[in-house]
Amino acid sequence: DAGITQSPRHKVTETGTPVTLRCHQTENHRYMYWYRQDPGHGLRLIHYSYGVKDTDKGEVSDGYSVSRSKTEDFLLTLESATSSQTSVYFCAISEGTVITEAFFGQGTRLTVV
Amino acid sequence: SQQGEEDPQALSIQEGENATMNCSYKTSINNLQWYRQNSGRGLVHLILIRSNEREKHSGRLRVTLDTSKKSSSLLITASRAADTASYFCATAPIKAAGNKLTFGGGTRVLVKP
Repeated sequence: DAGITQSPRHKVTETGTPVTLRCHQTENHRYMYWYRQDPGHGLRLIHYSYGVKDTDKGEVSDGYSVSRSKTEDFLLTLESATSSQTSVYFCAISEGTVITEAFFGQGTRLTVV
Repeated sequence: SQQGEEDPQALSIQEGENATMNCSYKTSINNLQWYRQNSGRGLVHLILIRSNEREKHSGRLRVTLDTSKKSSSLLITASRAADTASYFCATAPIKAAGNKLTFGGGTRVLVKP
């Protein structure tokens, strides 16, 4: 498996609280992505990063922010968690100037109650 | 809306049979990729086909790409129970900034022993 670790793996939080998910890689890949996976929707891109401090929005970015201060870490923050953000969150990494294969973490199951 | 859409959404076959699933997409692409996801796990890259390729093989996998129809198919030959998983296509749009990799909703494949 590629060196990519997500933490925590499971989290239950209350509505209105901020939550931060961490993705850590040891592959020195340039690109990092956050996706959410929900039944009937497949994987939807939340935010992605193409370098340190370089990030951009995906298709479902509202309510989420990201930061990448080091190559190896990509943080996803739910500013004020809502029940609609209950989901499984996946981090992925890839390298190269043209998209090649992506390597995925094991996922974080987040429940907002 | 998502870039890639798989068809069918679910597929049930007997061990030894072939499984075929299709992916349609909307914009011009640099390449198209197929991934597998076992229950509760992250996605694993299977195969990548570039926009100038029409067919590619990897073991029991055969992928075709028709850029004129904006569609791709994944064939798994001589299926095994271990092939039970969800399969996703992902597209790398030709003009995407920052290498946005966009996934479809997936096909759930059940291979019965």
